[in-house]
Amino acid sequence: GESVGLHLPTLSVQEGDNSIINCAYSNSASDYFIWYKQESGKGPQFIIDIRSNMDKRQGQRVTVLLNKTVKHLSLQIAATQPGDSAVYFCALVGGAQKLVFGQGTRLTINP
Amino acid sequence: DAGVIQSPRHEVTEMGQEVTLRCKPISGHNSLFWYRQTMMRGLELLIYFNNNVPIDDSGMPEDRFSAKMPNASFSTLKIQPSEPRDSAVYFCASSGQAYEQYFGPGTRLTVT
Repeated sequence: GESVGLHLPTLSVQEGDNSIINCAYSNSASDYFIWYKQESGKGPQFIIDIRSNMDKRQGQRVTVLLNKTVKHLSLQIAATQPGDSAVYFCALVGGAQKLVFGQGTRLTINP
Repeated sequence: DAGVIQSPRHEVTEMGQEVTLRCKPISGHNSLFWYRQTMMRGLELLIYFNNNVPIDDSGMPEDRFSAKMPNASFSTLKIQPSEPRDSAVYFCASSGQAYEQYFGPGTRLTVT
């Protein structure tokens, strides 16, 4: 079956620095990947997605990189702000419309 | 759009009681998902519906859990009888034609 893992459960960065959150997956058949952000007391919120026919996609201050060779996904956040503090989940399509979520990385922004 | 609506936001109940969680998906979305989130197990998919029909309930922990979707704008997740180990945050999410799922604010359930 599918599984999604995160390299680090927590990550602390200084405000203004760039953050990189990593994710590894096992299902090479997955063709769609999503990053979600979950703030305390709220539900996960969509950040950015990428299809398997791409290796990079950029949004506002965020970039997702996909390396299908090593089955690795990363989320880069530029110039982190206090509002970026949250838990970040990677997810992949595991079959039909099901999403398989990783355990999450808690990002803390230090002033 | 109001987004996915869940009620109640918080529920505290005693072991053995019946608990009903409610969800209103985003209008026009044809898929609805129920998740459970705990520190130990993370975000787990319990069941999902497509066009009001249950498609996959393999994540439902046991017979004490049941879910229904009587129409396109309403779904319930019921736990009967509830147990302390059911304490978690329960999320409902909906999606349209794309894979992206929109999550509700969740219901924090505490069973004492």
